[in-house]
Amino acid sequence: AQKITQTQPGMFVQEKEAVTLDCTYDTSDPSYGLFWYKQPSSGEMIFLIYQGSYDQQNATEGRYSLNFQKARKSANLVISASQLGDSAMYFCAMRGLVLGGSQGNLIFGKGTKLSVKP
Amino acid sequence: DGGITQSPKYLFRKEGQNVTLSCEQNLNHDAMYWYRQDPGQGLRLIYYSQIVNDFQKGDIAEGYSVSREKKESFPLTVTSAQKNPTAFYLCASSIDTGIGTEAFFGQGTRLTVV
Repeated sequence: AQKITQTQPGMFVQEKEAVTLDCTYDTSDPSYGLFWYKQPSSGEMIFLIYQGSYDQQNATEGRYSLNFQKARKSANLVISASQLGDSAMYFCAMRGLVLGGSQGNLIFGKGTKLSVKP
Repeated sequence: DGGITQSPKYLFRKEGQNVTLSCEQNLNHDAMYWYRQDPGQGLRLIYYSQIVNDFQKGDIAEGYSVSREKKESFPLTVTSAQKNPTAFYLCASSIDTGIGTEAFFGQGTRLTVV
């Protein structure tokens, strides 16, 4: 069965420092995509970054980068130069060719609550 | 302005009543999804639809029903059979279900049973 695991329920980081949010996954799909979303207190889910399983390079989007280690099945999100506005819930998600019989759906981890200290 | 609109933002339901949550998108996306979010549980898939007039159960479909009569609309009905419906409900859409396709989300509906 496919699964996303985020082992850090909460994290604190000092403003302007970098922080890594962990994500491990389990899948037997030959191809899959990994996503990170941010959920501020308003509730809306905001797409941050995507990594394909066959991508040779780690994805980057501005201050966000994804540390993809395929052999370890990990896809950690790195946020550089943290800002107060980064305080939010962060979710790791995966989409594969066939996910438990539901083709192509996004499955999510339980999330990590990031708090940025001034 | 393209996007996904969920309504209402807050909804209160008496026990034993059915309620319907609205989700409309003007992104011309084929696929639409409903997720339920409980504190500490992440997002769990209720139903999804890959195309008009077709939908499939997700992981927690019991007590819920959906329809997909129009491409832009995917309403979710929470029936009286759902024993614990108080939660935050998120609707999403994507252009297709390819592995690299991101999903776009609405603002959510918070349902409370009173």
